[in-house]
Amino acid sequence: NAGVTQTPKFQVLKTGQSMTLQCAQDMNHNSMYWYRQDPGMGLRLIYYSASEGTTDKGEVPNGYNVSRLNKREFSLRLESAAPSQTSVYFCASSYGQGPSNEQYFGPGTRLTVT
Amino acid sequence: AQSVAQPEDQVNVAEGNPLTVKCTYSVSGNPYLFWYVQYPNRGLQFLLKYITGDNLVKGSYGFEAEFNKSQTSFHLKKPSALVSDSALYFCAVRQTKAAGNKLTFGGGTRVLVKP
Repeated sequence: NAGVTQTPKFQVLKTGQSMTLQCAQDMNHNSMYWYRQDPGMGLRLIYYSASEGTTDKGEVPNGYNVSRLNKREFSLRLESAAPSQTSVYFCASSYGQGPSNEQYFGPGTRLTVT
Repeated sequence: AQSVAQPEDQVNVAEGNPLTVKCTYSVSGNPYLFWYVQYPNRGLQFLLKYITGDNLVKGSYGFEAEFNKSQTSFHLKKPSALVSDSALYFCAVRQTKAAGNKLTFGGGTRVLVKP
């Protein structure tokens, strides 16, 4: 049981390049999330998927797109990377949307945009 | 809107001494409160949560947290800190009907336990 896995672990992009961050979970969770972590700001929600086939914007969605490929996989795409997107990105999942459901996090992807 | 404040950027404590990490929150309605820990180069790990009931919540690794509704606080505590407790700690809150199961995180508190 690997939990939540993310690829790649590290990535360096030039401004304007595109890339996709991959996330998969093997806990049969229904809901999945993408966060970014910046120093002193905690984690901020980019997009989430309440269930397979649905996606919704979070707090900071501009410059990103997502795809819920199936129940296990939820990808985050940067179409044209900007230096402001330099951050650590975390994928998370939870069993459901109920407020008592804790979220389980992947190990993160450290992205640098030059 | 919901919000979380962790007033201390860093907490230093000697091994064996009590550890407290402070958290205050603001929500509409009843809060659901969480503590997560992040070790270097790792994702966040769930420690404990308050949903309802007993104000003292016990979690993983000997941690506990006390919910105080009148002070809108949810401080994390450990009676005797270990060097291995050195990490970044995040408090998070969710209100009863937050869209998208949205968690709002505090800015984090770095804990340094010295031998």
